[in-house]
Amino acid sequence: KAGVTQTPRYLIKTRGQQVTLSCSPISGHRSVSWYQQTPGQGLQFLFEYFSETQRNKGNFPGRFSGRQFSNSRSEMNVSTLELGDSALYLCASSLTGVGNTIYFGEGSWLTVV
Amino acid sequence: AQTVTQSQPEMSVQEAETVTLSCTYDTSESDYYLFWYKQPPSRQMILVIRQEAYKQQNATENRFSVNFQKAAKSFSLKISDSQLGDAAMYFCAYRSAQNYGGSQGNLIFGKGTKLSVKP
Repeated sequence: KAGVTQTPRYLIKTRGQQVTLSCSPISGHRSVSWYQQTPGQGLQFLFEYFSETQRNKGNFPGRFSGRQFSNSRSEMNVSTLELGDSALYLCASSLTGVGNTIYFGEGSWLTVV
Repeated sequence: AQTVTQSQPEMSVQEAETVTLSCTYDTSESDYYLFWYKQPPSRQMILVIRQEAYKQQNATENRFSVNFQKAAKSFSLKISDSQLGDAAMYFCAYRSAQNYGGSQGNLIFGKGTKLSVKP
């Protein structure tokens, strides 16, 4: 069974550009969430999607957005990139139900120059 | 708001020895889940062990076990017979059991403990 798949794995963008990251959850998982990991702030929750609806959102500016498709695949978008957006972006998926384990992908490394 | 604290930024253990990583958390909720995740240099987060707050029995997974003290809000991870492959960042995480507005609940992470294993 394939795990959580994230693309692209590595990318470099220039300040002011936008970026879109993609995530395919484990088959059968309908809940997808995104996390940002930086050396300074650690792991921070971005947002969560379930049944194509954003269910929960972390404390990030409106430049960070996401969506989920009917096949549970998810994308996140960051517009007007800033140097501070350089981070590892982790996607995670789980079965529905708060007690289920959250499984992570290998992440997308974003560097903003 | 819930918080998770890992007070040991770095730990070191000799191969085959036992090491304990500390984690404390703060919450006003009575029902929740606690996790330890391992993040090796590949950066993929791997679940090590999970604990349901309503279960008094401490979780165990092979060489990994936890000491869950609900009243003290403490959740430490013990690694027995440490192996070179155990070297990684270890994150303690909290997840509410409440379903707020249809949310499945996000993870709240501590800052992590970097574990080194000496041969």
